[in-house]
Amino acid sequence: DAMVIQNPRYQVTQFGKPVTLSCSQTLNHNVMYWYQQKSSQAPKLLFHYYDKDFNNEADTPDNFQSRRPNTSFCFLDIRSPGLGDAAMYLCATSPSAVTYNEQFFGPGTRLTVL
Amino acid sequence: RKEVEQDPGPFNVPEGATVAFNCTYSNSASQSFFWYRQDCRKEPKLLMSVYSSGNEDGRFTAQLNRASQYISLLIRDSKLSDSATYLCVVRNTGGFKTIFGAGTRLFVKA
Repeated sequence: DAMVIQNPRYQVTQFGKPVTLSCSQTLNHNVMYWYQQKSSQAPKLLFHYYDKDFNNEADTPDNFQSRRPNTSFCFLDIRSPGLGDAAMYLCATSPSAVTYNEQFFGPGTRLTVL
Repeated sequence: RKEVEQDPGPFNVPEGATVAFNCTYSNSASQSFFWYRQDCRKEPKLLMSVYSSGNEDGRFTAQLNRASQYISLLIRDSKLSDSATYLCVVRNTGGFKTIFGAGTRLFVKA
């Protein structure tokens, strides 16, 4: 089945130790998004790729970076995780920039920072 | 003021009840509207898009009022399986900027 896959599902890291989360998709969608969702809060868009074009949200901390080496894969790098970065990180895709397109979410990676 | 605001929850209703959620958005340029459902510790999944004329999908009815900038979701004949958090989602011009509401938690009890 076509889908959005995130690995790992659970990630534990130490304060300040870089961590990379990965997302892959078999939907062949042009757009990939990364969201951060903290407990009982709304998912918050961090950035997105439209093909290879990267767009950072204005309030996304510099500590968060992303790479998209090809259509299928996208990575979220947290350079120096702080305790406040503990959250669920959701990857999503959509076919294009058309506003009425549904976004398809992966199962998320739950990040714990010790 | 948050860009997308939802009814505070949780809503606790018996099976078979009708329940309505409201959501308001602040950006009049918003173009597309959705309701997503999110189960505990799972990813959001699209419940339904919201069209200008209103739309229905089985027990679920969505309405959009552009003049007042609010969206509603009505669930009729609630089932236990409807227990979840319902997220109001707004997409603005350009298609990428997607804003989620904080969600309204629904508990349906036997």
